[in-house]
Amino acid sequence: DTAVSQTPKYLVTQMGNDKSIKCEQNLGHDTMYWYKQDSKKFLKIMFSYNNKELIINETVPNRFSPKSPDKAHLNLHINSLELGDSAVYFCASSLHNEQFFGPGTRLTVL
Amino acid sequence: GQQVMQIPQYQHVQEGEDFTTYCNSSTTLSNIQWYKQRPGGHPVFLIQLVKSGEVKKQKRLTFQFGEAKKNSSLHITATQTTDVGTYFCAEYGNNRLAFGKGNQVVVIP
Repeated sequence: DTAVSQTPKYLVTQMGNDKSIKCEQNLGHDTMYWYKQDSKKFLKIMFSYNNKELIINETVPNRFSPKSPDKAHLNLHINSLELGDSAVYFCASSLHNEQFFGPGTRLTVL
Repeated sequence: GQQVMQIPQYQHVQEGEDFTTYCNSSTTLSNIQWYKQRPGGHPVFLIQLVKSGEVKKQKRLTFQFGEAKKNSSLHITATQTTDVGTYFCAEYGNNRLAFGKGNQVVVIP
């Protein structure tokens, strides 16, 4: 029944490692997003895909690479993790304007 | 999207009292959305306003969009402990949501 799901929920890793976060939506939406929420709760868009095509890349370092194998999935791969990457990452999807968020992935880089 | 400013950033509210949270922009907004994020949770869509002067109600929540479409407010009456969380406003445009920094609300029992 989950509309937007993300795995893993928690990710603790060392600096310099590479990690991936997966996102899936079963709502039939065309557009998916990745947001980063920092420790002060500020939510900032990172990427947006529409029907598997990248439409927004919000000046995110190229260590972050999104991949959309189909319109129900949008994964986020991060290379060479840095301390400043520690945050909660939310996946979201939308059909029109209203966005549906996943439960979030709390990434901690040590 | 342009940045929307939210005030206050933090609020402590006594259970049973009313409170309001505000969202302002220096330029005209095409729409405004409100989201609520409970502690440890994810943002959940509450409402979208698009018309000048629009007012919408959801039980104890009243949402307003200013006549000039440069501000919006969310007013909650008879606050309950379940109202705890961060309330975000956001404008949707150019295929993205531009969020304000949120108003973190703590409810004092």
